[in-house]
Amino acid sequence: ETGVTQTPRHLVMGMTNKKSLKCEQHLGHNAMYWYKQSAKKPLELMFVYSLEERVENNSVPSRFSPECPNSSHLFLHLHTLQPEDSALYLCASSQDLGQGNTEAFFGQGTRLTVV
Amino acid sequence: AQSVTQPDIHITVSEGASLELRCNYSYGATPYLFWYVQSPGQGLQLLLKYFSGDTLVQGIKGFEAEFKRSQSSFNLRKPSVHWSDAAEYFCAVGSPYSGGGADGLTFGKGTHLIIQP
Repeated sequence: ETGVTQTPRHLVMGMTNKKSLKCEQHLGHNAMYWYKQSAKKPLELMFVYSLEERVENNSVPSRFSPECPNSSHLFLHLHTLQPEDSALYLCASSQDLGQGNTEAFFGQGTRLTVV
Repeated sequence: AQSVTQPDIHITVSEGASLELRCNYSYGATPYLFWYVQSPGQGLQLLLKYFSGDTLVQGIKGFEAEFKRSQSSFNLRKPSVHWSDAAEYFCAVGSPYSGGGADGLTFGKGTHLIIQP
């Protein structure tokens, strides 16, 4: 148990569907992140939030839309995805951005399959 | 830009044997270094980290890693592996500005560890 919980664990969706991934952390952290993990590729940072403000968007297509309503919750809204978007989506949190001696805690991920 | 190379995609080790997973990084100054482990269907768990000080760091589950500045390496070791160690292992580098926050982490592609009985 890392303190970062992601739901659902598995999701199958059609290309015309709209779905959302949820991430929740009870660690009192101020920064939250979305990562994409595809087969045979390094983890790709998608979005970064600090104190509920988006601070980074790594050229992610608009079919991915993040939302951070408070410092404990992070969502990733999905619509009109492509099969190549199938991957493991990982949420992480850390105490703050730009601080030494902090570390990232990862959730277990949502395995997304786009059909 | 920082980068991480894990030269071994797969490693097979017999149970009870010693293990060394290689990691080389590219960074202009002294980085922050991490090893994460990912079991099948799971997220990433931090094994150990190096920020400063003693270059030999101890982690959880009996793992250790040694930072060698001259070789730009941070290899992970375990003296005797157990079947439960079978997993994917990721080396990551972070800048002192970003610390270990996930915004500043650059990950290697991972090494898949297989344990033979």
